Amino acid sequence: NAGVMQNPRHLVRRRGQEARLRCSPMKGHSHVYWYRQLPEEGLKFMVYLQKENIIDESGMPKERFSAEFPKEGPSILRIQQVVRGDSAAYFCASSRRDSVISDTQYFGPGTRLTVL
Amino acid sequence: SQQGEEDPQALSIQEGENATMNCSYKTSINNLQWYRQNSGRGLVHLILIRSNEREKHSGRLRVTLDTSKKSSSLLITASRAADTASYFCVPYNQGGKLIFGQGTELSVKP
Repeated sequence: NAGVMQNPRHLVRRRGQEARLRCSPMKGHSHVYWYRQLPEEGLKFMVYLQKENIIDESGMPKERFSAEFPKEGPSILRIQQVVRGDSAAYFCASSRRDSVISDTQYFGPGTRLTVL
Repeated sequence: SQQGEEDPQALSIQEGENATMNCSYKTSINNLQWYRQNSGRGLVHLILIRSNEREKHSGRLRVTLDTSKKSSSLLITASRAADTASYFCVPYNQGGKLIFGQGTELSVKP
């Protein structure tokens, strides 16, 4: 059973370009979470999605950032018009959520975004 | 969900010694989870202890939970250089999202 897959592992963009980060959850998992880790900081929650639904986007910046998890295919985190402050490691996690009280999230290896 | 506070912030030990990390939190929980992160890589889920459990073991890991004191501890026995990482406790109630603190940075010297 493959783990959570993220691609690309490294992404370099110039200011003003768009960044698309992909996450394929573990087999059987229908819940996806995105987290961001800025340099020298801890992980911060961004968004929680279920297939075709955004459950909680309380951690998403209001502008330029969007996320989706379509019925088919990976979850996508999209950052428009990137700025240097978007440089960070973006981690995706997935879970089955078969129990609200004992749900375990499994993390992918992350995508390291560098904005020049 | 809430953030756990790990203590100490940094811990340096020799290979073979035991490492103990503590965690405190503020409000009621359904479970508490410990994660490990090696040098900026992805997080690895180590162990989950439910609120009605007091102690749990997994290999060289031993976790305790005291809900009356709102605290938990993670013990790694016979540490190895490969245990060098940051360790995070995550108190979980419901809602999906995990909130991470600053963690304990463990350094195991060969």
